Amino acid sequence: DADVTQTPRNRITKTGKRIMLECSQTKGHDRMYWYRQDPGLGLRLIYYSFDVKDINKGEISDGYSVSRQAQAKFSLSLESAIPNQTALYFCATSDSGGLQPQHFGDGTRLSIL
Amino acid sequence: KNEVEQSPQNLTAQEGEFITINCSYSVGISALHWLQQHPGGGIVSLFMLSSGKKKHGRLIATINIQEKHSSLHITASHPRDSAVYICAVRASGSRLTFGEGTQLTVNP
Repeated sequence: DADVTQTPRNRITKTGKRIMLECSQTKGHDRMYWYRQDPGLGLRLIYYSFDVKDINKGEISDGYSVSRQAQAKFSLSLESAIPNQTALYFCATSDSGGLQPQHFGDGTRLSIL
Repeated sequence: KNEVEQSPQNLTAQEGEFITINCSYSVGISALHWLQQHPGGGIVSLFMLSSGKKKHGRLIATINIQEKHSSLHITASHPRDSAVYICAVRASGSRLTFGEGTQLTVNP
């Protein structure tokens, strides 16, 4: 089983719909991240969480919200999806010591029509 | 100007060639990561380094902290090495800043 699991892997939906992307991890890491990847822009940080009670905005948090339901779970929501949120979304984890690289999920390809 | 710049953006090589991908950054960092993104989208970490050089199989990563520069080398390249290679730097905490990636295609 993958250490970092994202669901769904692919989603096509319409403008205005509420979408939730889920991430779960078996690494036992405290820190979890949500990124989006767009062609030519690299990965950009949306939100991150250093533990269950800690939520922080990243570079591009507008239009998104997150929930850290447990140490192992970190979900990303688009309250009212718009076409420019079409992207590849990645969840990642790292340990609190910062001595290990981040571990990434396989990504969720989201298309907003 | 991006904090992390990679070159080249695209690279095509013949099987067996020695490949170098470069990464320059403009901020002080505590660590630099090289990541590989497969054609299907999944990302795996290849190296994390803060000084010197690391080697894993045919892959070698070097970093020069004074020059704010890192290189990823692939020896005896193979078509299965075709992927996007991403450089990322950690300036503080564990947040990463990513380069745009280098698309590598190795032809048989």
